[in-house]
Amino acid sequence: QKEVEQDPGPLSVPEGAIVSLNCTYSNSAFQYFMWYRQYSRKGPELLMYTYSSGNKEDGRFTAQVDKSSKYISLFIRDSQPSDSATYLCAMSADTGRRALTFGSGTRLQVQP
Amino acid sequence: DTEVTQTPKHLVMGMTNKKSLKCEQHMGHRAMYWYKQKAKKPPELMFVYSYEKLSINESVPSRFSPECPNSSLLNLHLHALQPEDSALYLCASSQGGAGTGVPGTQYFGPGTRLTVL
Repeated sequence: QKEVEQDPGPLSVPEGAIVSLNCTYSNSAFQYFMWYRQYSRKGPELLMYTYSSGNKEDGRFTAQVDKSSKYISLFIRDSQPSDSATYLCAMSADTGRRALTFGSGTRLQVQP
Repeated sequence: DTEVTQTPKHLVMGMTNKKSLKCEQHMGHRAMYWYKQKAKKPPELMFVYSYEKLSINESVPSRFSPECPNSSLLNLHLHALQPEDSALYLCASSQGGAGTGVPGTQYFGPGTRLTVL
């Protein structure tokens, strides 16, 4: 079993829809949770960063972390065709090895 | 400014060539990383430098040789690569890293797309 599980998609939605992207994880030591957006043939771009449990909002994006369920989510409101990309969740522990553990990425397509 | 720059953008090399990838950041970050990413896969960690010292080597073959000349620069020297090494090579940096006690939110560069013939 992988440490971080993420549905690879593709997920296809119409423009304006609310998108929900999710990851589950097994390592209870993870404390830092990140979402990256990656366009084709480009480097990952940091979208959201959350420490421990809770919600964080930035414009059309909301990140949620539920440590009791080992489940994190990214919501995109009023989705746009420019949101079409691969979304990677990533997480790391607070001590010791701090390298990121990535999910496999979810490919999102927003249809105009 | 959260910019990490990488050169070159594209590189084609033969199996007997020696080449280098370069990465630069001016955010004052003290941890820098090399990742390898194959198509439709997440990035795979190769090396971590923390305060200019190599802190993690993910059992990467010796044909990849990292170097951190100073806190802003990271190089990856390539020699005698194989066609299966063709991939997108990503550099990242973070304020903290292993053992620093500071969160390791990582910022990525655009990558170097490497093709080995």
